[in-house]
Amino acid sequence: SQTIHQWPATLVQPVGSPLSLECTVEGTSNPNLYWYRQAAGRGLQLLFYSVGIGQISSEVPQNLSASRPQDRQFILSSKKLLLSDSGFYLCAWRLAGGGTKNIQYFGAGTRLSVL
Amino acid sequence: AQSVTQLGSHVSVSEGALVLLRCNYSSSVPPYLFWYVQYPNQGLQLLLKYTSAATLVKGINGFEAEFKKSETSFHLTKPSAHMSDAAEYFCAVSHSSNTGKLIFGQGTTLQVKP
Repeated sequence: SQTIHQWPATLVQPVGSPLSLECTVEGTSNPNLYWYRQAAGRGLQLLFYSVGIGQISSEVPQNLSASRPQDRQFILSSKKLLLSDSGFYLCAWRLAGGGTKNIQYFGAGTRLSVL
Repeated sequence: AQSVTQLGSHVSVSEGALVLLRCNYSSSVPPYLFWYVQYPNQGLQLLLKYTSAATLVKGINGFEAEFKKSETSFHLTKPSAHMSDAAEYFCAVSHSSNTGKLIFGQGTTLQVKP
């Protein structure tokens, strides 16, 4: 069966520090991968998605970047964090092409506090 | 452009009462529709999905939703609320099976009172 892992679960970082959040998927090949952010009291916003290694699409301009160095690894990064980067970050995966179900499966999330 | 509106950011019901969480969407093409549930400090769990088969969709934990094209709605219901249903619920729409991008509503927090 497929599983998705995100780490760390929580992170407290000072303003201006770098960021690296990692997400890995097991049990499937060539998944579509997604990064979402959930700010306090708000819904989920899609930040990046990837349909293959090295293929990253950005949905909103921001202080963050994403990379997919391996088939089942998706990394969210920042060179210098801003206060506004605080939030709950969720990684998700989906079967390539969606199939008949077109379902995204989510990781447990990383709560980032920028102070 | 697609969008999702969830009416009511907070809904409070008594244990055993009907749960109704509202979701309206806009989409220029037949959509895929989803309801997810999120417990505190956890990821999202799929409750149910609509993918153009039956308009009444049954999900996990006794939840169901009805797709009404004429009303562009996909409301979530459960006949009898349990304390364990207290969580945040998100409605989402996707029309692209290629990218699978989901557009989420703002979420509805369900409170269940004893």
